[in-house]
Amino acid sequence: DVKVTQSSRYLVKRTGEKVFLECVQDMDHENMFWYRQDPGLGLRLIYFSYDVKMKEKGDIPEGYSVSREKKERFSLILESASTNQTSMYLCASSPAYSGANVLTFGAGSRLTVL
Amino acid sequence: GNSVTQMEGPVTLSEEAFLTINCTYTATGYPSLFWYVQYPGEGLQLLLKATKADDKGSNKGFEATYRKETTSFHLEKGSVQVSDSAVYFCALPGAGGTSYGKLTFGQGTILTVHP
Repeated sequence: DVKVTQSSRYLVKRTGEKVFLECVQDMDHENMFWYRQDPGLGLRLIYFSYDVKMKEKGDIPEGYSVSREKKERFSLILESASTNQTSMYLCASSPAYSGANVLTFGAGSRLTVL
Repeated sequence: GNSVTQMEGPVTLSEEAFLTINCTYTATGYPSLFWYVQYPGEGLQLLLKATKADDKGSNKGFEATYRKETTSFHLEKGSVQVSDSAVYFCALPGAGGTSYGKLTFGQGTILTVHP
């Protein structure tokens, strides 16, 4: 069964800590995404990547960075976590071109920043 | 840019009731439209899609028709089950084209079905 795996389901961090959220997909997809999910706001795109070492900002990139050194892995980095980054983070992937809009999501990483 | 507005809910129904979740969109041209579903403790998954006007997407008893006249893509199911309890998201490709899969999602509608 193909999937997107997010390494941590639940994390609790302190303000100012550096946080890494890891995501791995086994479908050889070109595109990978990080979304943030908050009640009443739906999903908002933080960053996406359409190839190794390529990245583009989404709608809410401030306070985040990403890394894609290998095709299957896409990491989200919070350089200095803040309480307003407490949220559910969803990683997704999709193939290039045809089928690009059919995203496969991971189960999510719920981050609490104290 | 493209945007989508969906009925916020939450929606609470009894088993076998009829379901409608409204979704309207604003877009340039006629992009593909999607419904994604998120079951408790899981990530989102594609429920159904429609790629052009008047298309009807269907899956698992759910249907949605792409209506360009009313810019709507309402989700319907004739008889819901407890297992349909989930969060439902309407979505369409965001600004900048479709090739990279950048979707814009609605706010999500929480559906709870009681026995």
